Amino acid sequence: EIVLTQSPGTLSLSPGERATLSCRASQSISSSYLAWYQQKPGQAPRLLIYGASGRATDIPDRFSGSGSGTDFTLTISRLEPEDFAVYYCQQYGSSPWTFGQGTKVEIK
Amino acid sequence: QVQLVESGGGVVQPGGSLRLSCAASGFTFSSYGMHWVRQAPGKGLEWVAFIRHDESNKYYADSVKGRFTISRDNSKNTLYLQMNGLRAEDTAVYYCAKDPGCCRYFDYWGQGTLVTVSS
Repeated sequence: EIVLTQSPGTLSLSPGERATLSCRASQSISSSYLAWYQQKPGQAPRLLIYGASGRATDIPDRFSGSGSGTDFTLTISRLEPEDFAVYYCQQYGSSPWTFGQGTKVEIK
Repeated sequence: QVQLVESGGGVVQPGGSLRLSCAASGFTFSSYGMHWVRQAPGKGLEWVAFIRHDESNKYYADSVKGRFTISRDNSKNTLYLQMNGLRAEDTAVYYCAKDPGCCRYFDYWGQGTLVTVSS
């Protein structure tokens, strides 16, 4: 099973700042099969990024993904008030399909 | 637009059973694989089960294998999760999620249904 470790656990930033979230895998993820999701309190997760860098439908271009192998990054170029949430990475290169433990982006 | 609506959650005693349903609309249900993903209170996300569009293959997390069964009725556009032998650690919000077709990620999610296992 591929274990995903996200860092930091919590990121305290102000609106307008840049957020950089990390996701590290315990083994290489084939074909960059990595996705990112955003979850707000009381809501279902929402797909942001697939294939490490592909933006999902209707996702603003301030969200971008990068990386390959075992190291992946989600960047939010300028935080908007609605971006404060928990973010999860997920690998789908091999079963079982696993998630990281999440990074909370909170208002500083 | 894609809509997924779960139902069937509730409170059940340890060892009991429950069947969850997920009604799908806004896409050709019979053409896509579907998943169940759960989230324990205050915790992260855990993939539970996947079924191919034609039921030809089913996959389960080790934590539920032998106790949970995923199924679907393409004539009713509905996904199911039969949960037997429930344990306290199965307490979670259960989400159904659509597979994009090519790969095993989750492009659309339902709002979730809460399952509480408690005596």
